[in-house]
Amino acid sequence: DTGVSQDPRHKITKRGQNVTFRCDPISEHNRLYWYRQTLGQGPEFLTYFQNEAQLEKSRLLSDRFSAERPKGSFSTLEIQRTEQGDSAMYLCASRTSGSYNEQFFGPGTRLTVL
Amino acid sequence: KQEVTQIPAALSVPEGENLVLNCSFTDSAIYNLQWFRQDPGKGLTSLLLIQSSQREQTSGRLNASLDKSSGRSTLYIAASQPGDSATYLCAVKNFGNEKLTFGTGTRLTIIP
Repeated sequence: DTGVSQDPRHKITKRGQNVTFRCDPISEHNRLYWYRQTLGQGPEFLTYFQNEAQLEKSRLLSDRFSAERPKGSFSTLEIQRTEQGDSAMYLCASRTSGSYNEQFFGPGTRLTVL
Repeated sequence: KQEVTQIPAALSVPEGENLVLNCSFTDSAIYNLQWFRQDPGKGLTSLLLIQSSQREQTSGRLNASLDKSSGRSTLYIAASQPGDSATYLCAVKNFGNEKLTFGTGTRLTIIP
């Protein structure tokens, strides 16, 4: 499968623990995005990478959140000291510089904070 | 600030009917608009992308239209099938901005 992949698909953690999610974009896609989706809502933008550079961050991305894309390929999203309000689906998307700016999404990581 | 609205939040129609889903946005300076499908607990599947210079796009039984001046898009589904049951989301990308701004979606149920 050559689509966007995310790991893990589900994560249950206790409040206060740290969690890390991984996203592998479609090969050759130089732009990568993270979004968060809570129940009954549309996804909300968190951050964006062009190659390894993080070029934009939403105000939703508090100091407890950090994202990296060290080699311009896969990306990780870490949440430190998780809170119950962090429970959501975390979605990753990627695109090429062309392709009419169409973003392709992965299956998401469902986070539940107890 | 761009705001995207989808009404109704939920829609049920009998199998075989044609239907229209609506999306409206407040800032008409959009670069493109995408329609997505989301099955429960799953990621998003891109259905159609309309560039700002286009009026409509078609894929199979789906047709999406765009009217930038009025800030509206519609997704037309012909001859609906039970497998079309899902949540449909529209999202816009503005010029000079990488992010997509999403609506809250319309949950569609096709009744066999």
